[in-house]
Amino acid sequence: DAGVTQSPTHLIKTRGQHVTLRCSPISGHKSVSWYQQVLGQGPQFIFQYYEKEERGRGNFPDRFSARQFPNYSSELNVNALLLGDSALYLCASNFELGADGELFFGEGSRLTVL
Amino acid sequence: AQSVTQLDSQVPVFEEAPVELRCNYSSSVSVYLFWYVQYPNQGLQLLLKYLSGSTLVESINGFEAEFNKSQTSFHLRKPSVHISDTAEYFCAHFRGSSNTGKLIFGQGTTLQVKP
Repeated sequence: DAGVTQSPTHLIKTRGQHVTLRCSPISGHKSVSWYQQVLGQGPQFIFQYYEKEERGRGNFPDRFSARQFPNYSSELNVNALLLGDSALYLCASNFELGADGELFFGEGSRLTVL
Repeated sequence: AQSVTQLDSQVPVFEEAPVELRCNYSSSVSVYLFWYVQYPNQGLQLLLKYLSGSTLVESINGFEAEFNKSQTSFHLRKPSVHISDTAEYFCAHFRGSSNTGKLIFGQGTTLQVKP
C-alpha cells in the first residue's frame, strides 16, 4: 500500500511568490495534518483537517492556508513568500483522531525561498 | 513556551555502545509521549509511544523509553547501537482531544554512530 505522498519533493521560489504543496494520505485515512520543519529544529504544527473541515491551526500567519478535498487529499498554500518560509513541509495522515491515532508522515516538500 | 525539551542536540557514540537520548516534558501537558526518528532525506517514522499502562515501552528495533512522571522525563535508550541507527530523533507530546490534536516536538537530537 502506498504511504503518504507529497509533491513536489523540492522547489525553489523567490520572495513574494506563491506556492502550493500537495499531499495524498494513506488510503482510508480521513485526517491530514501539515507541519513545517525549519533546518535544525523540530516540526511545528500548521494545520489539521478532518473530513474536509479545519480542526486545528497552529501559530502561523494568514499567508498560510490549506484545504482538504472530497478524496481526502490536501493542499497547503503559502502566499507572499518570505525567506523564513524556507523549510521542509511535512504532511501526515491518520485514521483516528486523538492520541491513539498514529500519524504517518510523508517524505516532505523542501521549499527554498531566495 | 516549549513543553518538550531535548537536552542534547548531538550525541556521538561508537558502534555497539549504549546510548541514551534525553527528553523532558512540562508537567502540565498531557502524558501522551512519542519518539520519532528521521533518517536523512526522509519523513518522520514513529519509533515508540506511551499512552498509558506500563511505563516502559519498547520498539521493534531494540529501543526503549521509560515514562517517569516524578522526573517528567521520557528518555530513549538502546543497549547497543548500530551504524544504521544514525539519524535525527524527536521527542513529542500530543496536545488535544479525541476530536483533534497535534504533536508538539522537541528540537531534536542527532545520533551519530561511529564505527
